Amino acid sequence: DIVLTQSPASLAVSLGQRATISCKASQSVDYDGDSYMNWYQQKPGQPPKLLIYAASNLESGIPARFSGSGSGTDFTLNIHPVEEEDAATYYCQQSNEDPYTFGGGTKLEIK
Amino acid sequence: QVQLQQSGAELARPGASVKLSCKASGYTFTSYWMQWVKQRPGQGLEWIGAIYPGDGDTRYTQKFKGKATLTADKSSSTAYMQLSSLASEDSAVYYCARPDSSGYAFAYWGQGTLVTVSA
Repeated sequence: DIVLTQSPASLAVSLGQRATISCKASQSVDYDGDSYMNWYQQKPGQPPKLLIYAASNLESGIPARFSGSGSGTDFTLNIHPVEEEDAATYYCQQSNEDPYTFGGGTKLEIK
Repeated sequence: QVQLQQSGAELARPGASVKLSCKASGYTFTSYWMQWVKQRPGQGLEWIGAIYPGDGDTRYTQKFKGKATLTADKSSSTAYMQLSSLASEDSAVYYCARPDSSGYAFAYWGQGTLVTVSA
C-alpha cells in the first residue's frame, strides 16, 4: 500500500498569512503524465470537501487562495491568504492505485 | 445535482451486523464507482473499498475483506455496505462518496452514518 505522510500534524497561521502543508508518498503516484494526488478539507461534523485534484487542479467552487503543487512523491497544499473559515483539518489522498490511501491529516488553526 | 443520502445512525451489539445505505440521485448510478470511507472519532480517513454498480465489481482494502460487503441495487440507485461481526473498533462514521468525472478524486460525499457498537 502507498503510505502518505503529512506534515505538520498541526499548525497555527495568522489571518492573511500563508499555510503550507506537505504530503510525501512512499512511492510515486504519477501515471501517464498525471499526478494522482488529491486534497480535502474537513470541518467538524461535516464530510470531507474536495479542494484540489490531480495535484494542482482547483475543484469547481473552491477559492483561488487554495493551490496545490508537486509530482512523484512530494506534494504541497498552499493556502494564501488564510481566512477564518479555513480553520479545518486537511487530508491528502492518492488515487493512483488501490487502496486509495489518505494522509494522517493536518489541523489548521487561524491565529 | 449529485446527491448521496445515507441512512441514519445505528446502535449495534458486539458480534452483530449492520447494513448501511447510500441512495444516489442526480446522475447515472451505474456509471461511477461508489466509494466507502471510515472515520473513527477524532481520527483520520480510511478507504474501505468501492463498488461499480454497472456490473457489481468490487474492490476492498485488505483490512476490510471479510468485514465489509458492498452491494448495489440498480433499480433504486442505492449502494449498501454490510459490516459484520461488529466490535468496538468498528464504531465510526462511514461515508459513501462518488468520484468526479475523471474517476479518481472523491468529489461528492454523503453526510455520513454513525455506527456505535456497544453492549
